[in-house]
Amino acid sequence: AQSVTQLGSHVSVSEGALVLLRCNYSSSVPPYLFWYVQYPNQGLQLLLKYTTGATLVKGINGFEAEFKKSETSFHLTKPSAHMSDAAEYFCAVYTGGFKTIFGAGTRLFVKA
Amino acid sequence: DTAVSQTPKYLVTQMGNDKSIKCEQNLGHDTMYWYKQDSKKFLKIMFSYNNKELIINETVPNRFSPKSPDKAHLNLHINSLELGDSAVYFCASSQDQRGPQGQFFGPGTRLTVL
Repeated sequence: AQSVTQLGSHVSVSEGALVLLRCNYSSSVPPYLFWYVQYPNQGLQLLLKYTTGATLVKGINGFEAEFKKSETSFHLTKPSAHMSDAAEYFCAVYTGGFKTIFGAGTRLFVKA
Repeated sequence: DTAVSQTPKYLVTQMGNDKSIKCEQNLGHDTMYWYKQDSKKFLKIMFSYNNKELIINETVPNRFSPKSPDKAHLNLHINSLELGDSAVYFCASSQDQRGPQGQFFGPGTRLTVL
């Protein structure tokens, strides 16, 4: 069965530091992978997606993620954290039949 | 020019009542979804409609009944509300004719059952 695991329910970084949010997936078919961000009291917003082609994908707000098939990973990174990046981040995998499953989420804290 | 809208944003009600949440998308998407997000932020698919046809119906109590009058609307009716129904409910839509492209989410409806 397909699944998504986000390592670390909470990640704390200093402003200006590297952001790394980890995501591992299992999928029986070539995966379609997504990262979403949720700011407080808002809906989820698509940050970036991997469907086919280039394994390094760039998204909005300076985020990027790399699809590594051998490691079944799709980690999200940003070179320099900003206070406005504080939010909940969700990794997701499309499992077929119009269904997407989401990881449990990682809360990102950014310290001044 | 809101892409996916939901009403109401907040809903506070007593146990046993019946309530509805409405969702509309103006993106021209073919597929719409209802998700439930619990207090720990866990997001779970409830229903999905494609071109007004129900295609995903997860293990949700039959007190929950979705209705899609047209491709742009997906409503959720809940009968005999229980304390455990308290959560944030999100509507979403997507257009996946060329493979999954990701979903657009509404702002959510926070349901509190007293």
